[in-house]
Amino acid sequence: EVHLLDSGGGLVQPGGSLRLSCAASGFTFGNYAMNWVRQAPGKGLEWVSVVSGNGITYYADFVRGRFTISRDNSQNTVYLQMNNLRVEDTAVYYCAKDPYDGSSGWLGYFDSWGQGTLVTVSS
Amino acid sequence: EIVLTQSPGSLSLSPGERATLSCRASQTVSSNYLVWYQQKPGQAPRLLIYGASNRATGIPGRFSGSGSGTDFTLTITGLEPEDFAVYYCQQYGGSPTFGQGTRLEIK
Repeated sequence: EVHLLDSGGGLVQPGGSLRLSCAASGFTFGNYAMNWVRQAPGKGLEWVSVVSGNGITYYADFVRGRFTISRDNSQNTVYLQMNNLRVEDTAVYYCAKDPYDGSSGWLGYFDSWGQGTLVTVSS
Repeated sequence: EIVLTQSPGSLSLSPGERATLSCRASQTVSSNYLVWYQQKPGQAPRLLIYGASNRATGIPGRFSGSGSGTDFTLTITGLEPEDFAVYYCQQYGGSPTFGQGTRLEIK
């Protein structure tokens, strides 16, 4: 059974940094792209970033240059380094697995999700 | 960017009734790369339908998806109490985008 455990959220001031982690189990981690998707309080879902099994990355325009996604296949973990945080980045951040079984690509939807970790950006 | 518009914003129905949720795209969704998720309060979303009409693993047969091009529909036939939730469509023909959601409430 796939299990994704998100962590690392918290309260940070505008302009600050935070690193989120997502520990995965139950599948061959290195074969699947991993994503971060966020949800502002009371709002809808918003895709943030993806990293393929072999490390190719892609970002939504609103985080490009501020956020960096990475993964450690030896630790079955994906990360999201968030710098220069803004109030509007306040959200629950979910890691989510792509269903494409292949280390160099992704389909772009999400068949398993973590429980989410709350990031609050406020002074 | 493909914009997805869901309607209605909320829907009030009774258990046993049929729910029809709509998702309209601002441009053609290539290869019908559209999915539906269900989200309950305090929980992560759950994948229901992929490729516009394929049920994900473990999803009951009362959930069905249809449509193509720019117009897609999620139908829930014979609502169960556990089906009352928020439903999102998402396209993956380009950079992933979501609809704003439809809230399905108990009447």
